[in-house]
Amino acid sequence: GEEVAQTPKHLVRGEGQKAKLYCAPIKGHSYVFWYQQVLKNEFKFLISFQNENVFDETGMPKERFSAKCLPNSPCSLEIQATKLEDSAVYFCASSRNAGGQGTEAFFGQGTRLTVV
Amino acid sequence: DQQVKQNSPSLSVQEGRISILNCDYTNSMFDYFLWYKKYPAEGPTFLISISSIKDKNEDGRFTVFLNKSAKHLSLHIVPSQPGDSAVYFCAASEYSGNTPLVFGKGTRLSVIA
Repeated sequence: GEEVAQTPKHLVRGEGQKAKLYCAPIKGHSYVFWYQQVLKNEFKFLISFQNENVFDETGMPKERFSAKCLPNSPCSLEIQATKLEDSAVYFCASSRNAGGQGTEAFFGQGTRLTVV
Repeated sequence: DQQVKQNSPSLSVQEGRISILNCDYTNSMFDYFLWYKKYPAEGPTFLISISSIKDKNEDGRFTVFLNKSAKHLSLHIVPSQPGDSAVYFCAASEYSGNTPLVFGKGTRLSVIA
C-alpha cells in the first residue's frame, strides 16, 4: 500500500489482558519500526525489523512485549498481561533503508492503547 | 539520557513571520537528521532531512541548518502560515543504519493569524 496502515485505532484492555497491535508497512519498504509515545512525550524506540528479521530490539521490554513481521502478513506487536503504564500511542513506521537517504520513516496513524 | 533535545516545548509566531525551531544532539555518531511534523491524532509526517556533509537544505518554505561543531540544527519556516501549527519533532540517526531514529520531545508551534 501507499501508506502505513495500523489497526486498530483504539484498543482498551483491562489490566492483565493481552493486547495485539497490527501494522502493514508501505509496499517495497524493507524496514519496520515500532515506537511508543506516552503522554505526548518523545517517541521511545521499541524494535525494528528488516523484512521478517529482527534488526534492533534494544528498546523492547524484556518481559511481556513481543513482535513479529512474517511474510505476507501484517507486522504485529503483542503485549501480554498489560499494565497501566503500557497505556500509550504505539506508532509503526516503515522505510526503504536503515541509514542515510531512504531512512525517512513513514508513520502510521498510531494505535491508542488504554489499559484500565 | 536524552540524545536529541528540543529545549523549547512551545513557540508562538505571527503569520507571515519566520519560525525557528531548534534542536541539539549529544551523540557525535549521528550524521543524518530529520524533521517531522505532527498534527493531533495523526502520525508524524516527514518534512525535511539533512546529512552531515551539508550545512543547509532547503525545500520551499522550509530550510534546515546544521552546525556540526555545535551539534545543533534548526528548522526555519518562512513565511509561517496558520496551517503550520503542529508539533515538530527533530530526529537523528547514523547514516550507517546502526541506530534507529532517535526523537526529541517536540516543539509545539502555534502560528497566529
